[in-house]
Formats: sequence, C-alpha cells, structure tokens
Amino acid sequence: SAVISQKPSRDICQRGTSLTIQCQVDSQVTMMFWYRQQPGQSLTLIATANQGSEATYESGFVIDKFPISRPNLTFSTLTVSNMSPEDSSIYLCSVEAARGGYGYTFGSGTRLTVV
Amino acid sequence: SQQGEEDPQALSIQEGENATMNCSYKTSINNLQWYRQNSGRGLVHLILIRSNEREKHSGRLRVTLDTSKKSSSLLITASRAADTASYFCATDEKSGNTPLVFGKGTRLSVIA
Repeated sequence: SAVISQKPSRDICQRGTSLTIQCQVDSQVTMMFWYRQQPGQSLTLIATANQGSEATYESGFVIDKFPISRPNLTFSTLTVSNMSPEDSSIYLCSVEAARGGYGYTFGSGTRLTVV
Repeated sequence: SQQGEEDPQALSIQEGENATMNCSYKTSINNLQWYRQNSGRGLVHLILIRSNEREKHSGRLRVTLDTSKKSSSLLITASRAADTASYFCATDEKSGNTPLVFGKGTRLSVIA
C-alpha cells in the first residue's frame, strides 16, 4: 500500500508567519486529503486536493488561509498562512492505501505550535 | 464535521483484559474503518468493515457493524500495554477515494 513521507514533523512558529507542510507519496494517487486535529480532538477534513484542479475546501476552511498545491500525482503541500495560536494543531495528509477496501494511509503528522 | 459519537471517551483497563469501544454514525455509509493513533502521531489503519458485513476479525481485533442502528464496536482481546493509544472510527459514503468522517475517538490506557 501507499507510503507517505510528511515533513516537518513538528515546528514552533511565530504568529503572523506561514508554514508549508509537504507530503510525498511513493506512488501516484488521484486524491490527497488534508486534515487538522486540534489538541485532544478528532480529525477534521480541511480540503481534498486533486491533481490538475483547485483543491476543494470544507466549510470553515478557505484557500487564503490554507493554500494547497498539487503539482503532480505524488506530491502536495499545505500552507498555514498568517498563523495565530488557534492554528496550533496536528496537520495530516492522507491517501487511499490501495484499491479494494484497504483503508487509507496517513502521513506521520505535523505538530504545529504557534506562539 | 464529526460523523457521530464514540464511547467511552476514555477507557482504562488492566493488561490481559478485553477492551470494547463503540462508535455511532449519522448517515448512510459505504464502509466503516477503525484507526489507531499513538501519542498524536499519524493514524494506522486497523480494520475495515463494509456496509454489507456484520462482523470481521483480524488477529486480536473484532469489529461488528449494525447498519440498522448505525453503530459499530471494536473489541480488542487480551490487551497489552502496547495497545495504549487513541482509537477512531471513520466512515465514507462512497466507494473509493472519498474523504473520511471521523468519530471523536476513545483514549485507551492499558496498565501493565
């Protein structure tokens, strides 16, 4: 099944700055999904990134705040822009593990702390 | 938005005991999956049960699905300290390449 390399694994950032998170997949995938996990909470979908088109954002998430790039079928980035302490979360990317009901593979997560 | 509730929110058991976690969801589903997360890291896929299945086993894991009640349970038998983690159920509404909707999760602590 697909393997994802996500980086950075963690970062501490100043408010007002931006951080770009990268996910590299070892195989070509159509869709990549970006999730946010706030402290002590479950995962919430930020957006779906389809290669060759603009990402589709969920309610409460906007492109200006969370721009996503998807330049090819193995790579995607999520930028957290103009950060505030409320953006402190774990951010995870995900792809379908393989065809046929094997679930989804997740990156190891980026733990972001905004100070 | 969260699909539904999981209970209990937290569970503490002794090593060797069984752990049961429950999940409820709100909409129709294609399948239901369970994931484990250690210390806020990435999620690991444990088991998937399709909407037309009622029970599935994988090693020490047993999952049941009741679509009439829109609920599922995950049983971990003969628990080990290494099973300490958060467990999440997740559903998708269509087959393949669709985003997951997660439950709130259960924090399991297995005490040696």
